[in-house]
Amino acid sequence: DTEVTQTPKHLVMGMTNKKSLKCEQHMGHRAMYWYKQKAKKPPELMFVYSYEKLSINESVPSRFSPECPNSSLLNLHLHALQPEDSALYLCASSQHEDGTYEQYFGPGTRLTVT
Amino acid sequence: GENVEQHPSTLSVQEGDSAVIKCTYSDSASNYFPWYKQELGKRPQLIIDIRSNVGEKKDQRIAVTLNKTAKHFSLHITETQPEDSAVYFCATNPDSNYQLIWGAGTKLIIKP
Repeated sequence: DTEVTQTPKHLVMGMTNKKSLKCEQHMGHRAMYWYKQKAKKPPELMFVYSYEKLSINESVPSRFSPECPNSSLLNLHLHALQPEDSALYLCASSQHEDGTYEQYFGPGTRLTVT
Repeated sequence: GENVEQHPSTLSVQEGDSAVIKCTYSDSASNYFPWYKQELGKRPQLIIDIRSNVGEKKDQRIAVTLNKTAKHFSLHITETQPEDSAVYFCATNPDSNYQLIWGAGTKLIIKP
């Protein structure tokens, strides 16, 4: 299985809501990533988990809270988001976190904050 | 920090012709150079990558060349087909930073 899955595909939430994005991989990869992608822009790194521990946090606002329950799962908890947080949220995984291995991306969650 | 410039931002070529996209980087310690393709509404997918100890790599119609002295690397697509239409991103991995630094992307349009 060489696929990263994400749920939900689409999410519309108000600024007072709390929601979670989920990501799963069964490739035995030790690194997992959350990216944010705006239209016509490259993916923007948010968080990196290596061996289930948070290793990189790219100064992301605290309204985004990542969680790695086990080596196959990655969650992104959302609360009190702003309209400018509307974007495609991509999860990815790779064998290791050093950036020299292929990153396998999930299909993304299209988030709209109203 | 590392900076990656990608050109052109949009490239339109006739079906069957070749397409070339170029990226320049600033950190001489960069040692890994992947290219990702993202079709409209889809996820980015790695199409080819090259490491700093290699000057060129080919995979069927796709090739990547690396010039470490000039600090640039290029994606070459020959005999372009409609399914090559997508946004292509270059990236690099500076030795001092475990993250990928991405180029701004090139929208490739294949005209029938």
